Order: sequence, then structure tokens, then C-alpha cells
Amino acid sequence: TQLLEQSPQFLSIQEGENLTVYCNSSSVFSSLQWYRQEPGEGPVLLVTVVTGGEVKKLKRLTFQFGDARKDSSLHITAAQPGDTGLYLCAGGGSNYKLTFGKGTLLTVNP
Amino acid sequence: NAGVTQTPKFRVLKTGQSMTLLCAQDMNHEYMYWYRQDPGMGLRLIHYSVGEGTTAKGEVPDGYNVSRLKKQNFLLGLESAAPSQTSVYFCASSYPARTGYGYTFGSGTRLTVV
Repeated sequence: TQLLEQSPQFLSIQEGENLTVYCNSSSVFSSLQWYRQEPGEGPVLLVTVVTGGEVKKLKRLTFQFGDARKDSSLHITAAQPGDTGLYLCAGGGSNYKLTFGKGTLLTVNP
Repeated sequence: NAGVTQTPKFRVLKTGQSMTLLCAQDMNHEYMYWYRQDPGMGLRLIHYSVGEGTTAKGEVPDGYNVSRLKKQNFLLGLESAAPSQTSVYFCASSYPARTGYGYTFGSGTRLTVV
């Protein structure tokens, strides 16, 4: 069974601070996705990374896939209250199913 | 463009009652999934389907049944609800085996079994 460990589980910061969320596994994934989930809604896809070492930027968010394709990180620069939510990483294998981490609950205080 | 639509959004059941959750997608996706989300447990796959007329068990299938009679619809049934099935249920859909294509989720059904 493939497992994805996310850290930290909870994160509360002030507006304007930077943060990094981590997603780690002992398994190799063919792709790694990041989702954000707001209260009362389903997760929404932010990005997919597929190549070891790949870095993608989405405005103030930077996503990195580890060289060995076992881990990933999400870095947010100058966090804003609108970034508040549950961040989920998900690993894709050779089949059509994703393995989800348990998530990092981020709160950005004004 | 509606994406993935789940009905109902909220439901309260008594132990032993049955119900069906409906998921409809308008993106012509082949694959569809049912997940439950519980505090501290993350998203857990209940059942999934790789095409019309096909279904398969996921990680936590006991107590649930599914049907995919039409490509755009995926139904989740609870035959005899138990308090342990109190959860938030999400349906998702995706293209098959395509890197770069993630899941599209519905907004969820919050089910309480008393």
C-alpha cells in the first residue's frame, strides 16, 4: 500500500509570512498533484508535476517534485487570508487511482 | 459547465435506513470515484468505475454498493445505514491514465446517521 505523509498537519501563520508544506513517501509516483479544499467544498486541483526535479510556479505558489519522485513540497510566498484551506497532495501510479495524503490545514490570519 | 454535481448536499438517516447518492458529470470522463472524508483519516476510496457498466472496490467498500449504468452517472447506495457511515462523501471523475489530468470533485454530500 502506497502512503503519503504530509507535514505539518496544522499551520497557523500571519498574513505576509512564507510557508512550506511537505509531502513524503517511500514509494515512487509517476505524478504528484496538489489540491486545495475550502470548507464545505470539494478539493480543487492546483497543479500536477510529473518529472523528477520539476518545479512549477502558480503566482505565489511554488511546487516541487523530488528527484526520486517520492516527495514534493508546496511553498507559499507572502501568504494571504485567501490562501486559507486544506492542502492535499496526491500521488499517481501506473493505474488510474490516486493516493491522497491526509492534508495540511492552513490558516492565514489577517 | 457544471463539472461534477452531487445530490443531495445534506441528509440525515436513521440507523437501518437506505439511501442513494447521485453523482453526475458533464465532462465525458471515463473514470469516476466515490470517496469518504473523515477527520484525521483523509480521503478514502470506497468504489470506482473505469467505464460504463463497470465498477470495482476501493479501500473501504463494506456497506456500500455502486452502479454506473450511464457514463455520466455514478450512484452510491447504502442498503442499511450505520452510524459509522456518518461522513462527507465526495464523487470525482477523471480522464483515464493521462498524466496532467487531475480529478474533478463534486462539492460533497454530508451524511449523518443517527
